[in-house]
Amino acid sequence: ILNVEQSPQSLHVQEGDSTNFTCSFPSSNFYALHWYRWETAKSPEALFVMTLNGDEKKKGRISATLNTKEGYSYLYIKGSQPEDSATYLCAFIPHNQGGKLIFGQGTELSVKP
Amino acid sequence: DAGVIQSPRHEVTEMGQEVTLRCKPISGHDYLFWYRQTMMRGLELLIYFNNNVPIDDSGMPEDRFSAKMPNASFSTLKIQPSEPRDSAVYFCASSLVGAGETQYFGPGTRLLVL
Repeated sequence: ILNVEQSPQSLHVQEGDSTNFTCSFPSSNFYALHWYRWETAKSPEALFVMTLNGDEKKKGRISATLNTKEGYSYLYIKGSQPEDSATYLCAFIPHNQGGKLIFGQGTELSVKP
Repeated sequence: DAGVIQSPRHEVTEMGQEVTLRCKPISGHDYLFWYRQTMMRGLELLIYFNNNVPIDDSGMPEDRFSAKMPNASFSTLKIQPSEPRDSAVYFCASSLVGAGETQYFGPGTRLLVL
């Protein structure tokens, strides 16, 4: 059974704080890792697709890193804003399984003004 | 592009009834995925198609669930007979090529089985 773990489960920060959370995945048979942002009552929206060990991706104040050898990815948010409040999901894609994504349970971020 | 379209957005039905959820993927995308979101299990993959062919249905909970993709622009997920434990949000997503590509999610169908 392929397990994708995210930590922490939830996070409450003040506006302006920087924060980060972790996604752990099997280090063998790696093909790709996705990060999604999921606001309440909406559908998940893609943030990053990462495929290479050492990848670093950035979109505005949000960035992500990838370590495929040890099986983890970090998502960073610099200077959190209330509109960053959402659940952040990572999804692991094993090799030779087509487009199948295995999602973690997510990290629920709440940013207070 | 209108994005992934799902219908209905909400469905309330009684136990034992047949439920059909519909999905129109983004034009040109060759992968289509059905997911179910519950509080207990989070977001789980039920089945996915490549070029209209089911590739992996190992996530389909039981024989009451079936999915079809008769053409590149339409897929259905059917539950017959429905049970209260099927109550969840069902998402459809599509992507181009597959694993290395972003999946685009539809708005979801919120199903309540009484």
